[in-house]
Amino acid sequence: AQSVSQHNHHVILSEAASLELGCNYSYGGTVNLFWYVQYPGQHLQLLLKYFSGDPLVKGIKGFEAEFIKSKFSFNLRKPSVQWSDTAEYFCAVGTGRRALTFGSGTRLQVQP
Amino acid sequence: EAGVAQSPRYKIIEKRQSVAFWCNPISGHATLYWYQQILGQGPKLLIQFQNNGVVDDSQLPKDRFSAERLKGVDSTLKIQPAKLEDSAVYLCASSLGYGLANEKLFFGSGTQLSVL
Repeated sequence: AQSVSQHNHHVILSEAASLELGCNYSYGGTVNLFWYVQYPGQHLQLLLKYFSGDPLVKGIKGFEAEFIKSKFSFNLRKPSVQWSDTAEYFCAVGTGRRALTFGSGTRLQVQP
Repeated sequence: EAGVAQSPRYKIIEKRQSVAFWCNPISGHATLYWYQQILGQGPKLLIQFQNNGVVDDSQLPKDRFSAERLKGVDSTLKIQPAKLEDSAVYLCASSLGYGLANEKLFFGSGTQLSVL
């Protein structure tokens, strides 16, 4: 069975700091990887996704993530965070026809 | 485009009572999911429908939880009787295709259930 680990539960950064949120998955076959974001008071929405090809994927609002197969990782990055990036971030993995399995989430707090 | 609609937004019940949640997915979306999100955890799949058929209900506690999507459109999730550990946000999501792992999910705002 697939599983996802997000090791950072709560991250506090100042505006303009760089961000990297860790995500590791457990599955031996082909995976589809996602980052979803939930802004305060809003529903979960897709930030970016990886299916195949270039392991560096770019999403909305300047976010990017890199798939490193040898490390079973799909870390989320942003060079310079803004106060509006305050949200909860969820990594998710999909395999075959199975529904997505989500990590436990990372709460990001950006201080102005 | 209208999003995934869920109701109610909040529900407070006492243990052993029953409760029902409703979800209307985006029009035309074939696959519908119910996820349970306990505070401090990520969403956990309860049940996945493709049209009006169940694709995966392996993590649904069937002794107390039931769900249906009779006409392949909207869906109802029921808990009877509720336990304290059922306190969570119940999320409904839908996707356009047939539940392949590379499909984008569209989520509703969820129903926050508190069991006292």
